[in-house]
Amino acid sequence: EAAVTQSPRNKVAVTGGKVTLSCNQTNNHNNMYWYRQDTGHGLRLIHYSYGAGSTEKGDIPDGYKASRPSQENFSLILELATPSQTSVYFCASGDAGTQDTQYFGPGTRLLVL
Amino acid sequence: QQQVRQSPQSLTVWEGETAILNCSYEDSTFNYFPWYQQFPGEGPALLISIRSVSDKKEDGRFTIFFNKREKKLSLHITDSQPGDSATYFCAASGSTNAYKVIFGKGTHLHVLP
Repeated sequence: EAAVTQSPRNKVAVTGGKVTLSCNQTNNHNNMYWYRQDTGHGLRLIHYSYGAGSTEKGDIPDGYKASRPSQENFSLILELATPSQTSVYFCASGDAGTQDTQYFGPGTRLLVL
Repeated sequence: QQQVRQSPQSLTVWEGETAILNCSYEDSTFNYFPWYQQFPGEGPALLISIRSVSDKKEDGRFTIFFNKREKKLSLHITDSQPGDSATYFCAASGSTNAYKVIFGKGTHLHVLP
């Protein structure tokens, strides 16, 4: 039973449109993360959260917002999508405390036309 | 900018051979090094990890060798199987920000039968 789920799994958006990517975890982890994966760049951290109500900027936050309304849910929001945001997005959860494993979702493939 | 470098970018071995994946880092405060395995269409999953107090970690056919002085580590996959074909990410985190994991760009491993 998948502990980190993402929706949608695939999304086509238009330039300038708003896109919301959702993530749900049943691990009861405090920490959640959003990454994007692009060929030649590996995984890059966009935003992360220590718990409900908190969001922190990662390494590449420009053009993205995040929302953590509850322990289980963490959303990534693209207010004005651009073609450069075409990518595969992964959500992950992890235990609070030091350096525990991150558990990844299956990813969302986003295409911005 | 903290960096984790991996080589080679792509590696092909025959079934039964040992695959060696290399990783290096710059930040001397890094003290935890997980390796993640990713199959096409899936999210990364923790394969094996090592802390900087150790110089070797073994789990079945997978072994991490760690050289703290040279800031290098390697993942050895013995008796490689076609099912090991995947992308392998070396990652690192440190005590200064334990929640933040820096990923390398990955090594694509192909195991030929």
